Amino acid sequence: DVKVTQSSRYLVKRTGEKVFLECVQDMDHENMFWYRQDPGLGLRLIYFSYDVKMKEKGDIPEGYSVSREKKERFSLILESASTNQTSMYLCASSLAETGSPSYEQYFGPGTRLTVT
Amino acid sequence: AQTVTQSQPEMSVQEAETVTLSCTYDTSENNYYLFWYKQPPSRQMILVIRQEAYKQQNATENRFSVNFQKAAKSFSLKISDSQLGDTAMYFCAFTSNTGKLIFGQGTTLQVKP
Repeated sequence: DVKVTQSSRYLVKRTGEKVFLECVQDMDHENMFWYRQDPGLGLRLIYFSYDVKMKEKGDIPEGYSVSREKKERFSLILESASTNQTSMYLCASSLAETGSPSYEQYFGPGTRLTVT
Repeated sequence: AQTVTQSQPEMSVQEAETVTLSCTYDTSENNYYLFWYKQPPSRQMILVIRQEAYKQQNATENRFSVNFQKAAKSFSLKISDSQLGDTAMYFCAFTSNTGKLIFGQGTTLQVKP
């Protein structure tokens, strides 16, 4: 089974702190994604990566950055946390498929971040 | 811009009955994929069912089936013989061959005993 793990289930940080959210997948997937989930808004894509050291902005990248130094690990960084970044953060991974792709994404358990 | 809309924030159903969750989407693409994901309380999101737009036949997975109406851009999920374990938030999602998913707002489904 594909396993996507995230470093913390719950995290409380203070405004202005630098925050690191880590995601690791064990199935050699090329693609990795970071979403935030907010009530009534669904999941919104923050950043994604198609390969090591590659990153692409999603729909809401402001205030975030990412790092992918190894294929299995994708980190989300909040350079200076703010209260409006209080949210559930979900990591996902998928294969880079050709031919008849499934595009199925496998999700981690999520990190509920509270910024006070 | 491509969008996905779930107009039912919350729904409930009695155990063993059937429920249908609605989803509409907007795209100018002809080839794309649609998904329903399930997020149980405090548990990981998992894929329930997938539909490829070029396939006319509606996808089914055990008690889960979809009604895919391409012209109407509608993609509803039917859950038959609802079970307590079906209680979850359900998300409709879309991709047009980029690998990036666009999600709807989600529908919270409560199955009552």
